[in-house]
Amino acid sequence: EVQLVESGGGVVRPGGPLRLSCAASGFTFDDYGMSWVRQAPGKGLEWVCGINWNGDSTGYADSVKGRFTISRDNAKNFLYLHMYSLRVEDTAFYHCARGASGAGMNWFDPWGRGTLVTVSS
Amino acid sequence: SYELTQPLSLSVALGQTASITCGGNNIGSKNVHWYQQKPGQAPVLVIYRDNNRPSGIPERFSGSNSGNTATLTISRAQAGDEADYYCQVWDRYTGVFGGGTKLAVL
Repeated sequence: EVQLVESGGGVVRPGGPLRLSCAASGFTFDDYGMSWVRQAPGKGLEWVCGINWNGDSTGYADSVKGRFTISRDNAKNFLYLHMYSLRVEDTAFYHCARGASGAGMNWFDPWGRGTLVTVSS
Repeated sequence: SYELTQPLSLSVALGQTASITCGGNNIGSKNVHWYQQKPGQAPVLVIYRDNNRPSGIPERFSGSNSGNTATLTISRAQAGDEADYYCQVWDRYTGVFGGGTKLAVL
């Protein structure tokens, strides 16, 4: 069974850092690009960033560019999101999602259940 | 930046057809994907590349895309179809989602 499980969420003060992890199983991880998508409580979906199959190509939403870094460890089947200079408006559930190819710029399937990040003083 | 516009809400009678629109500048030139999200759950892909259904998605779900509008059509709506629906495209290496449509089945 293809599965994505996020972890690492929690409460962090504005300006602080946090690292999220996504454990992938049930498929050949390095065949696929991956993305992080977030959803503020009660709000819609927002694409955050993406990475291709081998990590040499990444892209970011303007709202997080320069503050967030996406990376992957294909040997361990893990995706990461390193978040810095966090803002109150970064409060959201963060989902990892698999792209449909190595580049990853297509549809997202499947998605993880998400991990909640709360930025608050 | 590229924007996708969806109606905030839509209601459909049980057994009838719901059409959820997704508007964007020349969206017909892009591949559009649709997701269903029920409360407390992760989004699920229901249509990819305009009009393709993943395995396990009922034939009642279909899609179209032309000009400035893409449409997700749900035929013979069931109570279990009540959910939020999001369209999604890629624009200049950036993922873009519509604001989402809450579908109520009456």
